[in-house]
Amino acid sequence: GDSVTQMEGPVTLSEEAFLTINCTYTATGYPSLFWYVQYPGEGLQLLLKATKADDKGSNKGFEATYRKETTSFHLEKGSVQVSDSAVYFCALTDRGSTLGRLYFGRGTQLTVWP
Amino acid sequence: GAGVSQSPSNKVTEKGKDVELRCDPISGHTALYWYRQSLGQGLEFLIYFQGNSAPDKSGLPSDRFSAERTGGSVSTLTIQRTQQEDSAVYLCASSLDPSVSEQFFGPGTRLTVL
Repeated sequence: GDSVTQMEGPVTLSEEAFLTINCTYTATGYPSLFWYVQYPGEGLQLLLKATKADDKGSNKGFEATYRKETTSFHLEKGSVQVSDSAVYFCALTDRGSTLGRLYFGRGTQLTVWP
Repeated sequence: GAGVSQSPSNKVTEKGKDVELRCDPISGHTALYWYRQSLGQGLEFLIYFQGNSAPDKSGLPSDRFSAERTGGSVSTLTIQRTQQEDSAVYLCASSLDPSVSEQFFGPGTRLTVL
């Protein structure tokens, strides 16, 4: 079945540090891949997405590349800010299914200190 | 409003009582999803509605859970005879087309069962 595994936190960084949050997936069909972010006290927001192999999603300085050969979609940012403190969720939908439901990883709590 | 709305934002109930949670999706979105976010289980899919088709209930954890969607718009998630393990944040999401698969999430309803 479809599933997502992401590194569990918490991750604590100083401002301007480099961030990587690992995410790997298992899918039976043709997945689209996502990173969602949940800021404190707020709902889930789409951060970035990629719909096919080798696509790179990017937003707000974050990037992730869809790697079919390693079944990975790692999230990176070159210089984190305090405002990036949030919980990050890797997710997929399987386009081989018409369901469209999201399969989520367990989430990674990121805290950035000034 | 422009986004997905949910009500109530918080609900405290006693064990054994029934509760109803409401979701107003983005206007024109044909697909509607319910998810549950809890500390122990992460983000779990519950149920999916697409247009006038029969809903996919494969994620509902027990027969105490049910949901309906009236007129292809507003949805209500009902939990009968609530148990303490039902305590969680219940999230609703909608999308324009499941094949597009970008889902927009509401702020959630935090349910606490005493």
